Amino acid sequence: GAGVSQSPSNKVTEKGKDVELRCDPISGHTALYWYRQSLGQGLEFLIYFQGNSAPDKSGLPSDRFSAERTGGSVSTLTIQRTQQEDSAVYLCASSLVFLAGRGTDTQYFGPGTRLTVL
Amino acid sequence: KNEVEQSPQNLTAQEGEFITINCSYSVGISALHWLQQHPGGGIVSLFMLSSGKKKHGRLIATINIQEKHSSLHITASHPRDSAVYICAVPQINNTDKLIFGTGTRLQVFP
Repeated sequence: GAGVSQSPSNKVTEKGKDVELRCDPISGHTALYWYRQSLGQGLEFLIYFQGNSAPDKSGLPSDRFSAERTGGSVSTLTIQRTQQEDSAVYLCASSLVFLAGRGTDTQYFGPGTRLTVL
Repeated sequence: KNEVEQSPQNLTAQEGEFITINCSYSVGISALHWLQQHPGGGIVSLFMLSSGKKKHGRLIATINIQEKHSSLHITASHPRDSAVYICAVPQINNTDKLIFGTGTRLQVFP
């Protein structure tokens, strides 16, 4: 079946512009995660959606970052007024949650969007 | 908040060698994840384990809950095993949010 897809695969933008990154999770997966991987760094948690619960936004680095998930499926991560330090690979993952709050569900990752802010 | 440390950061091996990658964490967890990130950037989940040992092909993952330590072993390594291996654990109890190690970059030469 289809895996997690993300678009665009690459995005080059100028400092100060807004960008939108899209994630299509695996159909039926109730949990969706956004991560950021800066050059040479580990994965950094940004935001987590689980079913109809309010999203966990605790990882968003600033109020320039926001995300939404429409209809429990597709998610969009928006970065406003981009800065050079926002340059990174943005990864989305989804999982089928069997037991929430345990961290025991396999996450399936998308290919990522490489964002370059000039 | 949990902290994760991996070692070594970089590892080179000759084809056929036995590989061990280590992961330690600071707070008791319900499960630990091992992930593989290929040079192209794609990330694949290898194992999720909460106790004992799991085996998949040439890959073996073990975890010692008391010592808060896990190892990933690769037997008869092959150049196609070259990748970054990442371990991840829940940030704190009662959460699905993961915190990731910085990864171990493995290169296997023929």
